[in-house]
Amino acid sequence: DQQVKQNSPSLSVQEGRISILNCDYTNSMFDYFLWYKKYPAEGPTFLISISSIKDKNEDGRFTVFLNKSAKHLSLHIVPSQPGDSAVYFCAARRETSGSRLTFGEGTQLTVNP
Amino acid sequence: DAGITQSPRHKVTETGTPVTLRCHQTENHRYMYWYRQDPGHGLRLIHYSYGVKDTDKGEVSDGYSVSRSKTEDFLLTLESATSSQTSVYFCAISVPGQFVTYEQYFGPGTRLTVT
Repeated sequence: DQQVKQNSPSLSVQEGRISILNCDYTNSMFDYFLWYKKYPAEGPTFLISISSIKDKNEDGRFTVFLNKSAKHLSLHIVPSQPGDSAVYFCAARRETSGSRLTFGEGTQLTVNP
Repeated sequence: DAGITQSPRHKVTETGTPVTLRCHQTENHRYMYWYRQDPGHGLRLIHYSYGVKDTDKGEVSDGYSVSRSKTEDFLLTLESATSSQTSVYFCAISVPGQFVTYEQYFGPGTRLTVT
C-alpha cells in the first residue's frame, strides 16, 4: 500500500524554465510534508517542507504547494538550473507515527542546458 | 553536515552470510533510522531507534535486526543475506527542536550486493 505516490518516474525541462514535481498521498492523517533531493552516490538532502495548516511555502527558487482536499502536493523550481538535476523524493509524516516519515518512489529531474 | 558516517560504503557478499552495517553519528542525537532504497520503491524504513536499546520495526523489517548499545552507533544486521536484500542502505537521524519540522538528515549510504 503506497501511501505516498510520485506518479512520474522522470521529468525533463530546459534550463531557465519551471520544473513541477508532483506527489499524491492517500492518508488524511499526514500532517507534515517534506521534499528531499538526491544526487547519485550521495544521501538524500532536505530541501523544503510544509505543514498541513499551510498551503504554500517558499524558499528561494523552491516553492511547495499543498492541496489538502485533493491530497496533492507539488514542488516548483523556478528557474530550473542544470545543477537541479537529481532524484526528488516527497515524504510525509503521520500524526500518530512520531518522527517517522513515509517516502514516495522518487522522480528523476533532468534540466537540460 | 549532521556528522553521519556509514561503513562499509560498498560490500559484496554471498547468499546466506551474515552482514552488519554500521551507522555512526557524532552529535548524540536520540533518533536514528535505517532505510533501504530500491528503484520503484523510493526509501523504505527498515528499523528505527529513539534511544539506547530502544528500537522498533519499520515497514520492511523482515530479515533484518538492529542494535543500539551506544547513542552514537546504530547497527543493522542481515542475519542471512538474500539476493532480495541487494540494495542501497541509508542511515538517518532526526533532530526534534523547538519548531518541530520532522527533518531527517541522511548518511552517504552503503551499497550492498548479495550474490
